[in-house]
Amino acid sequence: EVQLVESGGGLVQPGGSLRLSCAASGFTFSSYEMNWVRQAPGEGLEWVSYISTSGSTIYYADSVKGRFTISRDNAKNSLFLQMNSLRAEDAAVYYCARHSATVTTFDSWGQGTLVTVSS
Amino acid sequence: AIRMTQSPSSFSASTGDRVTITCRASQFISSYLAWYQQKPGKAPNLLIYAASTLQSGVPSRFSGSGSGTDFSLTISCLQSEDFATYYCQQYYTYPLTFGGGTKVEIK
Repeated sequence: EVQLVESGGGLVQPGGSLRLSCAASGFTFSSYEMNWVRQAPGEGLEWVSYISTSGSTIYYADSVKGRFTISRDNAKNSLFLQMNSLRAEDAAVYYCARHSATVTTFDSWGQGTLVTVSS
Repeated sequence: AIRMTQSPSSFSASTGDRVTITCRASQFISSYLAWYQQKPGKAPNLLIYAASTLQSGVPSRFSGSGSGTDFSLTISCLQSEDFATYYCQQYYTYPLTFGGGTKVEIK
């Protein structure tokens, strides 16, 4: 069974940093492209970042470019999101999401981890 | 970025109804369109990709159509478990973008 388990969320002050992690199991992690998708409270879904299987190709949403860094450790079946210079508008549930093997859709999601940005 | 516009943003329906949600892209996306269902407090669940291909395990009462810029999701006979919020997503190009969501509520 595919499992994605996020961790690392919490309360942080504006301007602060957090590092989110996503532990993957039940599939060959190194063979799948991965993403982070977020959802602000009561709002819709927003794609945040993409990383290829090897980590050689990375994309970011304009809203986080230059502040967030996605990475992965295939040996540890883990995906990460380093978030710096956090703003109030970054507050959201952050989901780790796997790309389908054949199309650029999200076929498996974690349960999400909540990031709150407040002083 | 490609803007995805869903309509309506919410509506009420009864069990057994046939319902349709529409999604319009701000530019051509061919058939690179997916639909997701999200229930409160849960992660989204992929229903349809390539505009009309049903994801494995998704009930056949769900169907998708469209290409180019105009798409729709139809639920042929609404069941109690279908009351949720639905999102479209384009994957024609990065940044990947979602529609604003359509909440289907019980009448």
